[in-house]
Amino acid sequence: EVQLVQSGAEVKKPGESLKISCKGSGYIFTNYWIGWVRQMPGKGLEWMGIIYPGDSDTRYSPSFQGQVTISVDKSLSTAYLQWSSLKASDTAMYYCAKTSDDGNYFDHWGQGTLVTVSS
Amino acid sequence: EIVLTQSPDFQSVTPKEKVTITCRASQTIGSNLHWYQQKPHQSPKLLIKYASQSFSGVPSRFSGSRSGTDFTLTINSLEAEDAATYYCHQSSTLPLTFGGGTKVEIK
Repeated sequence: EVQLVQSGAEVKKPGESLKISCKGSGYIFTNYWIGWVRQMPGKGLEWMGIIYPGDSDTRYSPSFQGQVTISVDKSLSTAYLQWSSLKASDTAMYYCAKTSDDGNYFDHWGQGTLVTVSS
Repeated sequence: EIVLTQSPDFQSVTPKEKVTITCRASQTIGSNLHWYQQKPHQSPKLLIKYASQSFSGVPSRFSGSRSGTDFTLTINSLEAEDAATYYCHQSSTLPLTFGGGTKVEIK
């Protein structure tokens, strides 16, 4: 069974750094892109970026380029999303999702990680 | 960036009624349009891939279609469990984008 298990909720202060994770299991982790999607409170889905664990090829949405870093550790079958300096506006639910064989749609999603940034 | 415009934003529907949600792409995307359902406090789930292909395990009352750059998600005979927000998503061109969502409420 394919599973994406994300790390737990985080409460941080503005300016702090953070790295959240997404562990894949039940499939060959290196063969499928993993994407990150933001959902701000009461709002819709926003595509942040995507990484191919096989070679770490990474693509970012222009809206998030330079604001976050997406990475992967193949040995742990885990993808990461990190911030070097959080802002209050980063408060949101963050989902990871695995793509299909052809990389075109998200066929499995993680449970989400709630990030709250508040002073 | 390809913009996906969904309509309506909100729909209140009685059970067994038919629901139609539209997603219009700002430029041609072929059939690279997919639909997701997100129930309250849950992760999104894939319903339809490539405009009209049902994903495994999705009830047959959900269907999709395409006419040029206009895409439609249809829910035939709405059930109470279908209360959710529905999103379209294009994978034709980076950056990938989502529509703004359509919330379906059960009367």
